[in-house]
Amino acid sequence: GESVGLHLPTLSVQEGDNSIINCAYSNSASDYFIWYKQESGKGPQFIIDIRSNMDKRQGQRVTVLLNKTVKHLSLQIAATQPGDSAVYFCAEMGAASYDKVIFGPGTSLSVIP
Amino acid sequence: DTGVSQDPRHKITKRGQNVTFRCDPISEHNRLYWYRQTLGQGPEFLTYFQNEAQLEKSRLLSDRFSAERPKGSFSTLEIQRTEQGDSAMYLCASSHSQDTQYFGPGTRLTVL
Repeated sequence: GESVGLHLPTLSVQEGDNSIINCAYSNSASDYFIWYKQESGKGPQFIIDIRSNMDKRQGQRVTVLLNKTVKHLSLQIAATQPGDSAVYFCAEMGAASYDKVIFGPGTSLSVIP
Repeated sequence: DTGVSQDPRHKITKRGQNVTFRCDPISEHNRLYWYRQTLGQGPEFLTYFQNEAQLEKSRLLSDRFSAERPKGSFSTLEIQRTEQGDSAMYLCASSHSQDTQYFGPGTRLTVL
């Protein structure tokens, strides 16, 4: 079956430190991965994506790494700020179809000022 | 604001009542999706439209749920005879074909 999951449900980091959020997936047919950020009471916000033909992709203060060998991806946030506090979901498309996003359960990131 | 919008943002209803939610997608997006999210979980796919055609429905979408997108622009999601188990955040997303899906702020439904 298909599933996308996260290693840790909660993560606390000091402001200014780097954050790493990990995600495991089970279906090797997964082709497209997305990280979403969801703040309390809001909808998921697109952060960054990566396709399976890439190992790394960088955005503004964020980097996503994909290791297809062990079916693992991670989101790195540089110089974490209080505004980064949210739940982060890894999600995938392609294992079953490209018509729906399959979300993992989420990691709650708390930034300590 | 050119993002996805949803109305209402919050809805409290009594069990057995019908409710209807509206979603306005990003204007140039031809696809519109509905998801449901319960507390502590990731969103789960319910259904999606390409233009006005409803192309897929999840098994989560019981017979009490119906969605429409009559003119290929905004969409409505109706829940008939609401049950307490319907309490959740209902999220709408839109995309251009199979590109990245962008989500709205959601409608939080509470069934008493």
